[in-house]
Amino acid sequence: ETGVTQSPTHLIKTRGQQVTLRCSSQSGHNTVSWYQQALGQGPQFIFQYYREEENGRGNFPPRFSGLQFPNYSSELNVNALELDDSALYLCASSPTDSSYEQYFGPGTRLTVT
Amino acid sequence: GQNIDQPTEMTATEGAIVQINCTYQTSGFNGLFWYQQHAGEAPTFLSYNVLDGLEEKGRFSSFLSRSKGYSYLLLKELQMKDSASYLCAVTPSGTYKYIFGTGTRLKVLA
Repeated sequence: ETGVTQSPTHLIKTRGQQVTLRCSSQSGHNTVSWYQQALGQGPQFIFQYYREEENGRGNFPPRFSGLQFPNYSSELNVNALELDDSALYLCASSPTDSSYEQYFGPGTRLTVT
Repeated sequence: GQNIDQPTEMTATEGAIVQINCTYQTSGFNGLFWYQQHAGEAPTFLSYNVLDGLEEKGRFSSFLSRSKGYSYLLLKELQMKDSASYLCAVTPSGTYKYIFGTGTRLKVLA
């Protein structure tokens, strides 16, 4: 059974640019959640996707958007990058949208300069 | 709204027992999770409590009191590899998202 994978591992971008982060769910999981984790902080919920539809959103501006594909993989897009967007971005998958247990990927470390 | 409080840092000795506390205030509550996170790595699941009481899993135990909005994670027979951050998270009613605390950095000393 393949776990949750994310790409790229690390990324450096300049303020104002756009970025796309990718996540492949664990086999059999149809729900994906994205979290932002700043250094020394706990993860903050960005949004969740269930069967290609957004299924809940945290307190993040519209420049944070996402997609889920028919194979349940997912993308997180961030436009107009700001310095404060520098963080570890974590993807977590669940067997269904009614499952509380989430399995996290290794994360993408984004640095905005 | 939701608020979760954990101590920022704790230090303990190899072989000892340590208790990491978590208090929370939420408008509704489905359950409470504990995750372990080593530096630069993804959080890994430790425990899930939905009913009051103690859940034991080997060296790790987790306790929940819903009426008091309180949980703790108990680590026994500490090992050097237990040095990590421990994250408390709740799932508010009607959602399946996690609300995380800031995490407790545990240092285990020889």
